[in-house]
Amino acid sequence: EAGVAQSPRYKIIEKRQSVAFWCNPISGHATLYWYQQILGQGPKLLIQFQNNGVVDDSQLPKDRFSAERLKGVDSTLKIQPAKLEDSAVYLCASSLWAGDTQYFGPGTRLTVL
Amino acid sequence: EDKVVQSPLSLVVHEGDTVTLNCSYEVTNFRSLLWYKQEKKAPTFLFMLTSSGIEKKSGRLSSILDKKELFSILNITATQTGDSAVYLCAVAGSFFGNEKLTFGTGTRLTIIP
Repeated sequence: EAGVAQSPRYKIIEKRQSVAFWCNPISGHATLYWYQQILGQGPKLLIQFQNNGVVDDSQLPKDRFSAERLKGVDSTLKIQPAKLEDSAVYLCASSLWAGDTQYFGPGTRLTVL
Repeated sequence: EDKVVQSPLSLVVHEGDTVTLNCSYEVTNFRSLLWYKQEKKAPTFLFMLTSSGIEKKSGRLSSILDKKELFSILNITATQTGDSAVYLCAVAGSFFGNEKLTFGTGTRLTIIP
């Protein structure tokens, strides 16, 4: 069974630039999550989708972050404009249903200079 | 606010030693506690615990949950260099009918050959 796919694996940008990350969950998984993991910390949930609807985006900085999952399968997370403090690993995870075990992708390491 | 505290923050032991990692939590409407191993970037699932006192075991790894004292331990016996990683504890709490994971900061385990 293929795992969660993410791209790119690494991205370096300057502050105020825009960046987008892509995630393809495990086939059949209805729930998709985006997490931000700052160095030395545990992952923090940014947004959770159930199919193509948002379940929880309470910790998403909506002035600069946006995410979509238009067809209920793959998802895109965008940051516009990026700040230095956005430097982190962005992890995508998926689960069969909300409450089932979450499986993580390899992540995208973002460096904002 | 849900909280997960892991200890120690880091641990360095020699190959063959046994280690115990700790996780304590405060969460609203507890559903389950999960352990993940994080090497490089993607956390990989180890255990999900829902009931007190029932040990989960996988090879040299085992874990147990105490829902009365609100903590869990992860034991690794006969450690190997491949066990070097960050071990993350996460607690799932029910949130308006949805389940939300709160992660600890992790324990960084280093095994010296």
